[in-house]
Formats: sequence, C-alpha cells, structure tokens
Amino acid sequence: AQKITQTQPGMFVQEKEAVTLDCTYDTSDQSYGLFWYKQPSSGEMIFLIYQGSYDEQNATEGRYSLNFQKARKSANLVISASQLGDSAMYFCAMRVSSTGFQKLVFGTGTRLLVSP
Amino acid sequence: GAVVSQHPSRVICKSGTSVKIECRSLDFQATTMFWYRQFPKKSLMLMATSNEGSKATYEQGVEKDKFLINHASLTLSTLTVTSAHPEDSSFYICSAMTGGSNQPQHFGDGTRLSIL
Repeated sequence: AQKITQTQPGMFVQEKEAVTLDCTYDTSDQSYGLFWYKQPSSGEMIFLIYQGSYDEQNATEGRYSLNFQKARKSANLVISASQLGDSAMYFCAMRVSSTGFQKLVFGTGTRLLVSP
Repeated sequence: GAVVSQHPSRVICKSGTSVKIECRSLDFQATTMFWYRQFPKKSLMLMATSNEGSKATYEQGVEKDKFLINHASLTLSTLTVTSAHPEDSSFYICSAMTGGSNQPQHFGDGTRLSIL
C-alpha cells in the first residue's frame, strides 16, 4: 500500500523567510512520482512541483524546490522568500507504477500561514 | 496550458434532487479523469477514475449507483449525484491528465454542493 505522511498540521512563517513543509512516503514500488499541490481558501488545487523517483537532481520551480531524500523516503517542499499569497493548504501526493501511474495518494496537508 | 474547467462552482438544492457536475479539459485531451470528494479541513478522497469510453472504476465504499460518472469524450466527464441527501453535501473536485508518468493531474476549481 502507498501512504503519504505530512506531520505538520500548521506552519507559520514571516514574509520573505524560507519555510520547509515535511512529507514522507511509503511504497514498495521502485518507480514512483511525488507531487506537491497548493490549495488556497478558494478551493482550487494548483500543481507546484514534481519529482520522479529516478531523478538524481532535486526539482526546482521558481521559489519552490523539493528536497528529495530517497533513502529516508522524504520529499520536503521548500518555499523560499515567502509571500503573503503563499498562505494556503499544501498537499504532498504520490503516484506509483503499480497503479499505472494513475491514482494519486494524498497526505493530510499542511496549512501555511505567512505573516507580514 | 492544461486548464480544467468545472461547472457549476456552487450548487444549493433540495433533498432528493439529482445534481450533475461537469468537468472539461479545455486545451488538452484527457485520457483519464478523476473525481474527488473533500470534507472540510480534510484531504482529498478519490471517488472514482474514469477513462474515455469505458466504465468508471470506483474506490471501495463509493456507491456507483449514487455517484454516476460518464466520460463521454476525451475532454468531458460528468458526475451525477442522484437523489442527493444532506450527507452528500461536500466539495467535489475533478482532475484530468494525459499520459506520462511525470505528468501531473490538473484540477478543476471544484464544486461546493449543499443539500438542504
């Protein structure tokens, strides 16, 4: 079975600081993909960043980077230079080869609050 | 690119009514579409996976006769909540993806369903 664990229900950060949102995963598949999504209070799910299990380099997308530590099965999201608009729920998710890379398994999410 | 449109964004109706929610991929052909349900302050729960032209695959515990899914084309999937009751009130969100293990699911903006 696949499982995503996000142990931080809430995080606070001041504007312009960096913040790390934790994500650990569990799967017996050798091939899998890890995703981070942002959900503002309006409800839409916004794709942020992707990391493949065979990618040797950590993924980066603008202010978002993924700290991928395969041996520890962790895929933490790092947001640099936080902005007020970053306040939202953040979900880590995984997709594995044994389900045809279709089904996404989501973590419980972390609510990030950025203060001025 | 990769825009998914979901309609309506909000529905309020009486108990016993059937409600149809549409999910369209606007600028790409979606080989697979997904329907999720999200309770307040909770993560996304996958309800079903639908591939164009074939029957949807429902997750365990999801009533297929209650939640009818039709994936008529590569750009349109519909979810019909039949004879809706107050316990069906929730946030429903669809997603769509093309092939490729590294391709993210792209989400609609969600539908907030309230049954009185």
